[in-house]
Amino acid sequence: GENVEQHPSTLSVQEGDSAVIKCTYSDSASNYFPWYKQELGKRPQLIIDIRSNVGEKKDQRIAVTLNKTAKHFSLHITETQPEDSAVYFCAADNAGNMLTFGGGTRLMVKP
Amino acid sequence: KAGVTQTPRYLIKTRGQQVTLSCSPISGHRSVSWYQQTPGQGLQFLFEYFSETQRNKGNFPGRFSGRQFSNSRSEMNVSTLELGDSALYLCASSFVGLEQYFGPGTRLTVT
Repeated sequence: GENVEQHPSTLSVQEGDSAVIKCTYSDSASNYFPWYKQELGKRPQLIIDIRSNVGEKKDQRIAVTLNKTAKHFSLHITETQPEDSAVYFCAADNAGNMLTFGGGTRLMVKP
Repeated sequence: KAGVTQTPRYLIKTRGQQVTLSCSPISGHRSVSWYQQTPGQGLQFLFEYFSETQRNKGNFPGRFSGRQFSNSRSEMNVSTLELGDSALYLCASSFVGLEQYFGPGTRLTVT
């Protein structure tokens, strides 16, 4: 089955800096890669996603890149703000609505 | 549109009992997936239903089961509860696939 590894497990940045979270996946059949943000006590919230026919996608301060050959994808957050502090999860879908999640990254943005 | 809703939000059960959790998807969404979230194992896929049919199943024992009704509402059942079943159970709905939106979860505690 699919295996998704996520790094780093914790990330601390100063407000205004950029943050990068990286994920690798094992199944070359995976074709959809969403990112979720989960604040303490809240539900995971879909923040951005990318399909395998696209190399990069951007939405305001958030961008995701995908390298199918290397089987890795990354989340980039620019100009971080304290409200970006949360746990971020990457995921891969190779069977349709069957997400395999990475272990999560706790992002802390220090004011 | 109203988001995904789950009931109950909190539940305390004793080992050996069974439990039924409910999920109402976003209006118009026909796919419902279930996930278990624990500090140790992270987010793990349980199963997915589409038009009342289970399409995918994760690596969980047969004590975990589910079903979907004609109005797309879904239930999951856990029989013969074990201490290790204590977790946050999340459901997610999607329209025809891919983008999944999560409910707030049901926090199950087994004592």
